[in-house]
Amino acid sequence: GEEVAQTPKHLVRGEGQKAKLYCAPIKGHSYVFWYQQVLKNEFKFLISFQNENVFDETGMPKERFSAKCLPNSPCSLEIQATKLEDSAVYFCASSPESKSGNTIYFGEGSWLTVV
Amino acid sequence: AQKITQTQPGMFVQEKEAVTLDCTYDTSDPSYGLFWYKQPSSGEMIFLIYQGSYDQQNATEGRYSLNFQKARKSANLVISASQLGDSAMYFCAQRRGGSEKLVFGKGTKLTVNP
Repeated sequence: GEEVAQTPKHLVRGEGQKAKLYCAPIKGHSYVFWYQQVLKNEFKFLISFQNENVFDETGMPKERFSAKCLPNSPCSLEIQATKLEDSAVYFCASSPESKSGNTIYFGEGSWLTVV
Repeated sequence: AQKITQTQPGMFVQEKEAVTLDCTYDTSDPSYGLFWYKQPSSGEMIFLIYQGSYDQQNATEGRYSLNFQKARKSANLVISASQLGDSAMYFCAQRRGGSEKLVFGKGTKLTVNP
């Protein structure tokens, strides 16, 4: 597709429940990124993929967060046993190449509310 | 480590005037890219403009221009002829050569007054 597609747009989970978010990158883009934005403030980098391989996972809270990008499937970000502080907008983004000059395009975000 | 600093939490500008949003960065890498994104109240992230570290000229895209001062490590966004629809959060970001993630500043909230 011509845009990064994220689903669902909104998700409400009780504390301790699992949350799973999906992202279809722009067709032909080999890099996928996940970011977390709390209260429309700072963007926290979570993880990036080069095709189906993890490229950089330095931002991932590994205890409860996991992510995958499998061939011919949307990428996913899963949070096990959600906590109140996981409430945020989760952005997926994609980029065509691994050069500093290529623009990273963002999806519209998935708003997760943990109650 | 990369660090992006946006010193203006909020800025106000009158409609039709120009405004400059500040951004400084800290990197020792010779190759990097600098980006500005707009985030309106609806929440989406809109790419505005890009400047490469080796670019000789300042980037321009319509009413947006980037005042790139490499020695000062600054990449200020200039919006000319402000419009009410320019009211939004603006994020400066850097993408280091060899590392693909964007590192963001904390953002500047721009309000355009009629």
